[in-house]
Amino acid sequence: AQSVSQHNHHVILSEAASLELGCNYSYGGTVNLFWYVQYPGQHLQLLLKYFSGDPLVKGIKGFEAEFIKSKFSFNLRKPSVQWSDTAEYFCAVSTGFQKLVFGTGTRLLVSP
Amino acid sequence: DGGITQSPKYLFRKEGQNVTLSCEQNLNHDAMYWYRQDPGQGLRLIYYSQIVNDFQKGDIAEGYSVSREKKESFPLTVTSAQKNPTAFYLCASSIEGIPTGYTFGSGTRLTVV
Repeated sequence: AQSVSQHNHHVILSEAASLELGCNYSYGGTVNLFWYVQYPGQHLQLLLKYFSGDPLVKGIKGFEAEFIKSKFSFNLRKPSVQWSDTAEYFCAVSTGFQKLVFGTGTRLLVSP
Repeated sequence: DGGITQSPKYLFRKEGQNVTLSCEQNLNHDAMYWYRQDPGQGLRLIYYSQIVNDFQKGDIAEGYSVSREKKESFPLTVTSAQKNPTAFYLCASSIEGIPTGYTFGSGTRLTVV
């Protein structure tokens, strides 16, 4: 069965610091990859997604992610975080049919 | 505006009672899903449905039941058999066959008292 690992459960950064959140998945075939964000008190929103093509994917709010097939990874990055990026971030994977498997999430706290 | 509506936002239930959580979408999406979100465990799939009158168990279906009588609606019943029902429940929908990701509802927080 597929699984998704997010090794950083809690991350604390100062504003303007760079961010990288790890995501690894276990599945040998073709995958669709997603990052979702949940701001405090809000519903989950799609940050970015990868299906095929350029492995460097740009999403909303200055986020990007790089798919490295050989490492089964899809890490999320942002060069300079803001206080408003404080949220919980979820990596998710689907294969074929859209049933998504989610990681356990990473809580990001950005201090002003 | 199109979207997913979950109601109620907060729900309290006495032990031993069944309770039904509502999920309605006007996105014309074929597929609908129920997830449970617990701190530190991410989102775990309870049930999903690809078409009307059909649904499949997810990873943690025990103690839950669903129906899909209409395309727009996918209610979840938390039965008294669910041993640890206090959680945040999220409903989602997607277009069948196209990996666009999900649209999520705002969730229902269920507390058993």
